[in-house]
Amino acid sequence: KNEVEQSPQNLTAQEGEFITINCSYSVGISALHWLQQHPGGGIVSLFMLSSGKKKHGRLIATINIQEKHSSLHITASHPRDSAVYICAVSLNTGNQFYFGTGTSLTVIP
Amino acid sequence: NAGVMQNPRHLVRRRGQEARLRCSPMKGHSHVYWYRQLPEEGLKFMVYLQKENIIDESGMPKERFSAEFPKEGPSILRIQQVVRGDSAAYFCASSPSRAGRNTEAFFGQGTRLTVV
Repeated sequence: KNEVEQSPQNLTAQEGEFITINCSYSVGISALHWLQQHPGGGIVSLFMLSSGKKKHGRLIATINIQEKHSSLHITASHPRDSAVYICAVSLNTGNQFYFGTGTSLTVIP
Repeated sequence: NAGVMQNPRHLVRRRGQEARLRCSPMKGHSHVYWYRQLPEEGLKFMVYLQKENIIDESGMPKERFSAEFPKEGPSILRIQQVVRGDSAAYFCASSPSRAGRNTEAFFGQGTRLTVV
C-alpha cells in the first residue's frame, strides 16, 4: 500500500469551475507538499504545509493533521491549470519524500 | 539564483551503453535527492546525498546504478549497461538541509532517458 493516496486520478473541469484534489497519508509526517508537473515538464513546488491553510493566488491548500488529509483547491480554474498535481510527504523520520501517483487535471475552455 | 539544473533534458542510449545524468543543486543547497518516474507511475525515491556522502541509497537498484555528489561540481547519477526498463524521467531535488518540517525541496526539470 502506498504511503500517500490521491484522488481523483483524473479530473476534467470546465473553465471557471472550482476544483478540489484530495490527498491522504498513512504515516507520521513533518510536512506535506503539493507539486505541479506539466506534460513533459519539470516539477514545481506549489505549497509546503505542516498545519492549517495556505493561499497563493487562485490556489488554496489545507491540511488536517489529525485526519491525515490534505486538499488542494483551485478557484476559477483556467486551461493553463491543466497539469498533474502531486502530493508528497516528508516523514518525521527518514531522508526522503513519498509521493502520490498524481491527479491529472484537464481544464476545458 | 538559478534553480536546480539538470542536464541533459533528454538522453537516448542504446542497450548496454552508460547513461550519466547531472544535477546542479540550487546555490547554497548541499542536500540532493534523486527520484525516478517510470511511465504511468509516481515518483520513487532513489538516493539521498550530501556533499561527498551517500546518506540513504535504499531506493537504488543494487546493480548498475550509482550516484555521487563530489565536493566540487554537480551530482551524477550513473546507469551502466542500460536496459529498456531504465527508460524513465529522472528528477533531482535539492534542499538546504535534510527534508523535514521547515525544509522545502526544489526540483529540476528532469532528464528523460530513452533506451533503444
